[in-house]
Amino acid sequence: GNSVTQMEGPVTLSEEAFLTINCTYTATGYPSLFWYVQYPGEGLQLLLKATKADDKGSNKGFEATYRKETTSFHLEKGSVQVSDSAVYFCALSANLKAAGNKLTFGGGTRVLVKP
Amino acid sequence: DSGVTQTPKHLITATGQRVTLRCSPRSGDLSVYWYQQSLDQGLQFLIQYYNGEERAKGNILERFSAQQFPDLHSELNLSSLELGDSALYFCASSVEQGSNTEAFFGQGTRLTVV
Repeated sequence: GNSVTQMEGPVTLSEEAFLTINCTYTATGYPSLFWYVQYPGEGLQLLLKATKADDKGSNKGFEATYRKETTSFHLEKGSVQVSDSAVYFCALSANLKAAGNKLTFGGGTRVLVKP
Repeated sequence: DSGVTQTPKHLITATGQRVTLRCSPRSGDLSVYWYQQSLDQGLQFLIQYYNGEERAKGNILERFSAQQFPDLHSELNLSSLELGDSALYFCASSVEQGSNTEAFFGQGTRLTVV
């Protein structure tokens, strides 16, 4: 079945540091890949997505590139802010009609940015 | 604000009881999904409805059931509750079914079973 593995947290950084969260996946076919962010007490928000190999998703300074050869979708940000403190989830949606388009999530990575 | 509304926000109930969680999708969205977020299991897909019909099923217990009504709102019914059912239950909606379609999440219902 489909699965997503992401690095465990928490990840603690200082403001303006570089952030990388690793994500690898196993899937049948050609999935779409997503990063969602969950701020304290809130639901999940889509941060960025990529729908095919070599696509780069970007939003709010965050980037991730769909690497089919390494089955990875690592999230990066060059200079984090305190407001980026949240839990980040990598997810995939299998492009199979029989599976609907449910999201399969990784375990989440908590990021704490200190001033 | 994602446009997805879930009620109630918090629910505390006793073991053996039954509860109903409600979700109103974004205006125009035909697909509704239910997810369970717990400390030990992470975020797990439960079930998806599309325009009133069940579309996909995940790790949903037999004690749980859901439906989507003609006005597209959805309800998740949890019965014979156990302590282990304590979790955050999210509803999400999307306009269609494609795998690259963005799903919008509600703020969740936190269920505590005591």
